[in-house]
Amino acid sequence: QAVVTQEPSLTVSPGGTVTLTCGSSTGAVTSGHDPYWFQQKPGQAPRTLIYDTSNKYPWTPARFSGSLLGGKAALTLSGAQPEDEAEYYCLVSYPDGRPWVFGGGTKLTVL
Amino acid sequence: QVQLVQSGAEVKKPGSAVKVSCKASGGTFSSSSMTWVRQAPGQGLEWLGGIIPIMRTGTYAQKFQGRVTITADESTNTAYMELSSLRSEDTAFYYCARADCSGGRCWIDYWGQGTQVTVSS
Repeated sequence: QAVVTQEPSLTVSPGGTVTLTCGSSTGAVTSGHDPYWFQQKPGQAPRTLIYDTSNKYPWTPARFSGSLLGGKAALTLSGAQPEDEAEYYCLVSYPDGRPWVFGGGTKLTVL
Repeated sequence: QVQLVQSGAEVKKPGSAVKVSCKASGGTFSSSSMTWVRQAPGQGLEWLGGIIPIMRTGTYAQKFQGRVTITADESTNTAYMELSSLRSEDTAFYYCARADCSGGRCWIDYWGQGTQVTVSS
C-alpha cells in the first residue's frame, strides 16, 4: 500500500502563514489523486475543509486554501487564528483502484 | 442540511463482530456514497471502505478485506459497517462520512459523530 506523508507538526504565529504538505510514496501527487484536507480538533469528528485539491465548502474559512506544490498537495493557512490549532489530515485516492489513503496528520500549533 | 447520526458505543469480546450504523437525514441518500474511517486511540485516520447505496457494492481497504462489510439500506437512509474477528487493535472510534455524488464524481462533505468500539476480554 502507498504511504502518504505529512509533516508531523508545525507551528505558526497568530496572523501568520503556514503551508502543510501531503506527499505520496508512489510519486507526485496530482489532481488525479483527488486530494482532500480535513481538520480535527480534540474530541471531535473530522471536518472536511478542502476537496478535489482546492475546492472549499461553505463552512471552510476563507483563510484556508488548497493547491499542488512541488509534487505534493498543499494546504495553506493565511492569517492563522487560535481556533485553527488542530490536527490536519490529507486523503488521496489512487487512480489504479488502490484504496484511499490518509496521511499521518500534521499537528498545527498556533503560538 | 445533511446530518449523519451513528449508533452508540459498543464493547465487544475478541473474535466477535460489531455492526455500526449511520443514519442520514437531509440530502439524497441513494445518489451519495458512504465512507467509513476509523481512529485508534492517539492515532491518525484510517480508511476502511465505502459504498454507493445505489450500486450496492462495497469497496474495501486491502487491510480489511474479508473482515469488513459495508452495506446500505435505502429504505431507511442508513449505512452499516460490520467488522468481524475483532481483536484488541480494532479498539477505535469509527466514523461514517457522506460523499455527495454528481456527474460521476463523489466528494466527502459531512461526517457522523463517531462510534466508540472497544474490544476487550
